[in-house]
Amino acid sequence: QLQLQESGPGLVKPSETLSLTCTVSGDSISSTNYLWGWIRQPPGKGLEWIGNVFYGGTTYHNPSLKSRVTMSVDASRNQFSLKLTSVTAADTAVYYCARPRVVGYFDIWGRGTLVTVSS
Amino acid sequence: EVAMTQSPATLSVSPGERATLSCRASQSVSSNLAWFQQKPGQAPRLLIYGASTRATGVPARFSGSGSGTEFTLTISSLQSEDFAVYFCQQYNDWTSFGQGTKLEIK
Repeated sequence: QLQLQESGPGLVKPSETLSLTCTVSGDSISSTNYLWGWIRQPPGKGLEWIGNVFYGGTTYHNPSLKSRVTMSVDASRNQFSLKLTSVTAADTAVYYCARPRVVGYFDIWGRGTLVTVSS
Repeated sequence: EVAMTQSPATLSVSPGERATLSCRASQSVSSNLAWFQQKPGQAPRLLIYGASTRATGVPARFSGSGSGTEFTLTISSLQSEDFAVYFCQQYNDWTSFGQGTKLEIK
């Protein structure tokens, strides 16, 4: 059974880069041409799609995050990652990794990890 | 961006009764809508996709309906394990999510 697990620092200083990794277990990240995605939920607010990355490296991200987002896949480690630069308090959120089906809905999610932006 | 609005924010229902949750889109999303269940500390669970197709392993008491801009998730006879937060996702125009409905025990 496919499972996803987020990992990374729980505290990031303002203006620095948030870096998270999602480890895929139960299947190979490259066994089929899957998409992989990131979603976040600020405290007390709704979910916000961050972006998706194809195994081959093509990425799509939410335009509201402009050019601050970088996503990549490391097939050798069965992981994919997210980097968000120049963070502010507004980036404080629970970050989820998830698998989107090609049509767009997310069918497998990780449990999420809280990242707080604070000095 | 397509804005998704869920109502009510909180719904209080007794076990065994029916629960009806709503999700409205700011523009048509056709049938490209999914529903999820989320419990504290757990990963969100896909319940419904394509507005009305139950995901694998989802009990038949969960049903989805609607198209265009108005969608409904119905839980026909609430079990204790159904009390959770439910949210919708549209995937017709990029993707966006509703704010969630908390289903609590009355």
